[in-house]
Amino acid sequence: DQQVKQNSPSLSVQEGRISILNCDYTNSMFDYFLWYKKYPAEGPTFLISISSIKDKNEDGRFTVFLNKSAKHLSLHIVPSQPGDSAVYFCAASHLMNRDDKIIFGKGTRLHILP
Amino acid sequence: NAGVTQTPKFQVLKTGQSMTLQCAQDMNHNSMYWYRQDPGMGLRLIYYSASEGTTDKGEVPNGYNVSRLNKREFSLRLESAAPSQTSVYFCASSVLGYEQYFGPGTRLTVT
Repeated sequence: DQQVKQNSPSLSVQEGRISILNCDYTNSMFDYFLWYKKYPAEGPTFLISISSIKDKNEDGRFTVFLNKSAKHLSLHIVPSQPGDSAVYFCAASHLMNRDDKIIFGKGTRLHILP
Repeated sequence: NAGVTQTPKFQVLKTGQSMTLQCAQDMNHNSMYWYRQDPGMGLRLIYYSASEGTTDKGEVPNGYNVSRLNKREFSLRLESAAPSQTSVYFCASSVLGYEQYFGPGTRLTVT
């Protein structure tokens, strides 16, 4: 039973255009959401997060949008650059639960085309 | 700061052999985690430790044991390795519930 779903295993985007990565979740108790980026042969690195009290969070070229009613979040990368080619993991947690687990999706591989 | 370090980087085991994967963090985080990553499966939590002296099972704990040696170190032990345990193993640490910081991974092959 996947609580965090990334339904697109891969995505190809032209350099300079917008990349939109999507994520759905099923557990309405999740109140904190994160995106991680992973290059081959490296560990995942934290990219951006959003609390459930907000619907948008920006950090430079990266923006995360949260739609609680739809249990959906998305990561926008504008403009897309070659170095953005990586696997992106969506993740969620229930901070108030204090059991301290983060649930990860299976990832979306983003290819930025020259 | 080194962040999260893992040893070894690569390991090949024969079925039935045992080994311990080591992890250490220098960020004074209370929580530490072990994940495995397999193709198409994302990151699956094996065990975690919310604080020094406590450990809990994650999604896929069978065949593994852990030790939270102190606040800095969290080890993962395979007592009798099986080919199904061929994977990339990541250790991570965090402040409670917030973003986790990952090590570089250990690539384990069991033949």
